[in-house]
Amino acid sequence: DAGVIQSPRHEVTEMGQEVTLRCKPISGHNSLFWYRQTMMRGLELLIYFNNNVPIDDSGMPEDRFSAKMPNASFSTLKIQPSEPRDSAVYFCASSLDYRTGLGYTFGSGTRLTVV
Amino acid sequence: DQQVKQNSPSLSVQEGRISILNCDYTNSMFDYFLWYKKYPAEGPTFLISISSIKDKNEDGRFTVFLNKSAKHLSLHIVPSQPGDSAVYFCAASAGTYKYIFGTGTRLKVLA
Repeated sequence: DAGVIQSPRHEVTEMGQEVTLRCKPISGHNSLFWYRQTMMRGLELLIYFNNNVPIDDSGMPEDRFSAKMPNASFSTLKIQPSEPRDSAVYFCASSLDYRTGLGYTFGSGTRLTVV
Repeated sequence: DQQVKQNSPSLSVQEGRISILNCDYTNSMFDYFLWYKKYPAEGPTFLISISSIKDKNEDGRFTVFLNKSAKHLSLHIVPSQPGDSAVYFCAASAGTYKYIFGTGTRLKVLA
């Protein structure tokens, strides 16, 4: 298995532009998570999907952020309009069953820089 | 308010010695704890876990200790190797999908 695949690896964009981050979870995993990593706050959960349905989006910072999971093999995180404070590394992770205790499998992340 | 705290941003240890990484939490409902290791330009990878019904879990060179009364857990790496140099995150859950992560500790093992 190729693991969780995220694209792009790096994204530099200008303030006000739309940014779309993509994620392909591990086949068969029914839970998908988007996390954001910053120096000050560490890894923060943005949104959790289970069986393609958003279950918890309480971590999404504001209305500029939106996430979709149209099918079991693809998810997007969109920021529109982007702002410099959105600069961070965004991780997607998937899990077969969070209750197994093995945690999540993370992708390699997308480093977003908004200038 | 950070519910999971890793107060040491960095730690340097000589190869062969013990590395001790600490993590404190505030929520007494947390009952499952994980440690992740992260190399540069990669995602975090699962390292070891511990349930609140235990106070110790061991996996090779890695041992996690849990002190529930102090709301403290620690990761011991013995002996430390240069390949262990990475950022280590602890994470806690109250029995749900939602893991709260700390800010990480950067470990550097000196050869």
